[in-house]
Amino acid sequence: DTAVSQTPKYLVTQMGNDKSIKCEQNLGHDTMYWYKQDSKKFLKIMFSYNNKELIINETVPNRFSPKSPDKAHLNLHINSLELGDSAVYFCASSQGGGQAEAFFGQGTRLTVV
Amino acid sequence: LAKTTQPISMDSYEGQEVNITCSHNNIATNDYITWYQQFPSQGPRFIIQGYKTKVTNEVASLFIPADRKSSTLSLPRVSLSDTAVYYCLVGGLVGGGFKTIFGAGTRLFVKA
Repeated sequence: DTAVSQTPKYLVTQMGNDKSIKCEQNLGHDTMYWYKQDSKKFLKIMFSYNNKELIINETVPNRFSPKSPDKAHLNLHINSLELGDSAVYFCASSQGGGQAEAFFGQGTRLTVV
Repeated sequence: LAKTTQPISMDSYEGQEVNITCSHNNIATNDYITWYQQFPSQGPRFIIQGYKTKVTNEVASLFIPADRKSSTLSLPRVSLSDTAVYYCLVGGLVGGGFKTIFGAGTRLFVKA
């Protein structure tokens, strides 16, 4: 069983489109995250949700909107995609946030053309 | 938020012990130090975490000096499959939320 699963794994789309990436965790964790990994491999946190409530919102354009329908899901919707949005997006979860060990999904490679 | 500095890359041979040091001069009192491993096309995977002194688990050891301004991840007897990027993180509760900054990571190449 995959602990943290993201779909799709690859996403190629044109500039200006709107797309969503889905994330589900079956670990029973109460905290979920979205990270962005750019071409230089830097991993930056974008959002963090705890029990469906947003607790971290880094400096991310408003075009990015996370949605957490329940504790096990944290989806990422991106409006008006730009070339600079091309990156690998990782979903992760942990129990309790803070220093807890985070489990990451396999990533979604988004390519905007 | 503490920043971390690690070597960009390291080379080793199978069977050797590898030590990767991370600097985090501005670490806060409530920050823990965590190391993750990332293989190509995969998400990072937790290796070890510590606050001070030494922590050991089945895959690695983490050495943290008293001033906590640095830490060293020790991988005993590496194998080819340990070739990966290793990230050192410091993080803690900030304003009620949790923030972790991943540094640039250290690319470890293990050769036969």
